[in-house]
Amino acid sequence: DAKTTQPPSMDCAEGRAANLPCNHSTISGNEYVYWYRQIHSQGPQYIIHGLKNNETNEMASLIITEDRKSSTLILPHATLRDTAVYYCIVRVAIQGAQKLVFGQGTRLTINP
Amino acid sequence: EAGVAQSPRYKIIEKRQSVAFWCNPISGHATLYWYQQILGQGPKLLIQFQNNGVVDDSQLPKDRFSAERLKGVDSTLKIQPAKLEDSAVYLCASRKPGRMNTEAFFGQGTRLTVV
Repeated sequence: DAKTTQPPSMDCAEGRAANLPCNHSTISGNEYVYWYRQIHSQGPQYIIHGLKNNETNEMASLIITEDRKSSTLILPHATLRDTAVYYCIVRVAIQGAQKLVFGQGTRLTINP
Repeated sequence: EAGVAQSPRYKIIEKRQSVAFWCNPISGHATLYWYQQILGQGPKLLIQFQNNGVVDDSQLPKDRFSAERLKGVDSTLKIQPAKLEDSAVYLCASRKPGRMNTEAFFGQGTRLTVV
């Protein structure tokens, strides 16, 4: 399985951009990078995913390096409700099945 | 669109007792996952179904855990007998099949406490 490495925790001021890094140096050419977040006492929530190109949606932007060995999730204007654990996942195919393997994630705290 | 439904939300049992969790995935989602999340850790995949067939159960402790997915829709996860270390949140997720880049949707989870 491709592994990901994330910092265990980060802080960000409310209203500022939160940039969450992720290393996935063993990623294969056809494996997607996914980001989920988990707010306390809830199930993980999908944020965004990408393969090679940078992606943007209403929640966040995903910047993937050209060599695909790392990526950054950007929350452009963080709010207190963005406080959560953020997981960077490389989805792998096992016997034709898509498998989501979670790491420890980054605990992001947005400060007022 | 209705989300992934799980029940119960909370369960407290004594060790050596049995317990079962239920999951109703989003309609049309052929792929179903069960995860175990111990406090302070990321979710750990226990078992993955494609329709009613198991595609990955490599991390399921088969001596005490079992899961089934009748008719490729609802699923149940059972623990018999429970141990103290089974205390965790059990998450169910589902995903549409057939495309490489569809996201998985998670339920709220069932919080199990074994005393």
